[in-house]
Amino acid sequence: EIVMTQSPLSLPVTPGEPASISCRSSQSLLHSDGKNYLEWYLQKPGQSPQLLIYLGSTRASGVPDRFSGSGSGTDFTLKISRVEAEDVGVYYCMHALQTSFTFGPGTKVDIK
Amino acid sequence: QVQLVESGGGVVQPGRSLRLSCVGSGFRFSDYGMHWVRQITGKGLEWVALIWNSGNKEDYADSVKGRFTISRDNSKNTVTLQMNSLRVEDTAVYFCARVGYSATLGGMDVWGRGTTVIVSS
Repeated sequence: EIVMTQSPLSLPVTPGEPASISCRSSQSLLHSDGKNYLEWYLQKPGQSPQLLIYLGSTRASGVPDRFSGSGSGTDFTLKISRVEAEDVGVYYCMHALQTSFTFGPGTKVDIK
Repeated sequence: QVQLVESGGGVVQPGRSLRLSCVGSGFRFSDYGMHWVRQITGKGLEWVALIWNSGNKEDYADSVKGRFTISRDNSKNTVTLQMNSLRVEDTAVYFCARVGYSATLGGMDVWGRGTTVIVSS
């Protein structure tokens, strides 16, 4: 099983400032097709999760461009260029390299 | 609009069975693979099962393999999770989610609101 870890687990943010979350996998998510099978989800308070990023760096439809994903292999980063109040919630990374997908423990983002 | 609605949750005793359903609308259901993902209250997300769009292939988390069965009826835009031999640790909110992008088996781009399963004696 691929184990996903995230840091930090809690991230107080200031609106208008940038924020960054790290995700690491226990094995490389870089497939032989050259793609990284890493996804990012946001679960806002009281809501279902929503997809932000897939294939490591591709924004899902409708996701604001202040969200960006980067990284390769086992180390990935989600960056928010300028945090807005609506970005609070728990951010999860998930690998999609193979079935038996696993999520990271989540990073709780709230306003300072 | 594109929507997934789960139903079938409830309270059940350990060892018993429960059947969850998820109905999709606003999109061509048969074009999309479907997942079940669960979340223990206040905790993280756990992938449970995936069924391919045609229904000819499925896969399961080790924690539910042999106990849960995912199936679909594309004529009714429905995906089902049959849960047998339930355990206390299966207590969670169960979400269905759509595989939104053909480039990946993940890419869960549409989620339902979830249905709650409580396994308790």
